[in-house]
Amino acid sequence: SQQGEEDPQALSIQEGENATMNCSYKTSINNLQWYRQNSGRGLVHLILIRSNEREKHSGRLRVTLDTSKKSSSLLITASRAADTASYFCATALSNDYKLSFGAGTTVTVRA
Amino acid sequence: DVKVTQSSRYLVKRTGEKVFLECVQDMDHENMFWYRQDPGLGLRLIYFSYDVKMKEKGDIPEGYSVSREKKERFSLILESASTNQTSMYLCASRPWSSGRDTGELFFGEGSRLTVL
Repeated sequence: SQQGEEDPQALSIQEGENATMNCSYKTSINNLQWYRQNSGRGLVHLILIRSNEREKHSGRLRVTLDTSKKSSSLLITASRAADTASYFCATALSNDYKLSFGAGTTVTVRA
Repeated sequence: DVKVTQSSRYLVKRTGEKVFLECVQDMDHENMFWYRQDPGLGLRLIYFSYDVKMKEKGDIPEGYSVSREKKERFSLILESASTNQTSMYLCASRPWSSGRDTGELFFGEGSRLTVL
């Protein structure tokens, strides 16, 4: 089934630095979503970008979408210890109820 | 705020037992989902329900069944638990979607099941 693949699998950065992670997918999508998961908890929705959008911002988050390359990136600027979490991309196909998730990127922000 | 509540955060069951995982949402959402999450595999969809008494198989339905008798409650049932069903189970809900505009999912905190 359709599934995003995040890259890298893990990322360790210093507090204050930016964190960038990427998501690639296989077939045309309706939208792409990013979620965060703190250790042992449920997922929390961060941002949704539609297939006709190229860039979206929410606070310190910036998401880009390149449908020609079937890829998206999530940038977290000025990272904080509280940003330590796993980040997942999820793709939604047209006329499909389902979201397909990748395996996630684990981000560790060092104080 | 939307609240999705999973009845048990941690469960330990024995092989062959019947297991019920309950999920309740308080925002009158039509769509509800059950995923399992395993390291390196991400989230995989087990079943989803787009309305009361309606259900559809996801990507890995084998060994599971579901029940949606009331709009707010979606139950996942393991008829005969096996060790390979040891996992984190995540329930999610969402308002009705036409399928052309699949919006965000609201997740519960997860139920970590260990089958011995």
